[in-house]
Amino acid sequence: AQTVTQSQPEMSVQEAETVTLSCTYDTSESDYYLFWYKQPPSRQMILVIRQEAYKQQNATENRFSVNFQKAAKSFSLKISDSQLGDAAMYFCAPFLDSNYQLIWGAGTKLIIKP
Amino acid sequence: DGGITQSPKYLFRKEGQNVTLSCEQNLNHDAMYWYRQDPGQGLRLIYYSQIVNDFQKGDIAEGYSVSREKKESFPLTVTSAQKNPTAFYLCASSIQSTSGPYNEQFFGPGTRLTVL
Repeated sequence: AQTVTQSQPEMSVQEAETVTLSCTYDTSESDYYLFWYKQPPSRQMILVIRQEAYKQQNATENRFSVNFQKAAKSFSLKISDSQLGDAAMYFCAPFLDSNYQLIWGAGTKLIIKP
Repeated sequence: DGGITQSPKYLFRKEGQNVTLSCEQNLNHDAMYWYRQDPGQGLRLIYYSQIVNDFQKGDIAEGYSVSREKKESFPLTVTSAQKNPTAFYLCASSIQSTSGPYNEQFFGPGTRLTVL
């Protein structure tokens, strides 16, 4: 079975500092995509960033970047210059399943301290 | 503005009743999905549809049913056979590309279902 593990149920960071959320997964696939989604208190699920497994270059989107280690099956999210609006649940969701299914981690709750 | 709408936002059901959750998208996406979210957990796939008049079961389809008569609409019915239906339900859609469904999913605002 393909699994996704987010080992940090909760993380807190001081405003303006940097935080890294971890995600590991298990798959035998060689070509896949990986996504990080954010779910703020409104519960609207929002895409943060995506990474294609065949690309060696790590994806970046403004203050958000990933550290993708394909051999280690690791896909961490780094948030720089944390802002109060970054407070949310963050879900790692690799697209590992050829049956058109995202595999979702349990999520990490990110708390931003002012 | 393009997007996904879900209604109602809150829904209350008595035990033994069937209820239908609405999901509509105007993004011209081929694929649509229904997820269930329970407290402290990630999303679990209930059903998905890649094309009109066709749909497949996800991991937790028991007690649920869907239809896909129009590209824009993918309603979910929670039947009385679903033993623990109280949860947050999310609908999503995505583009289907010829290279595979490797496209991000866009989500609606969700429906909170409570069984009384």
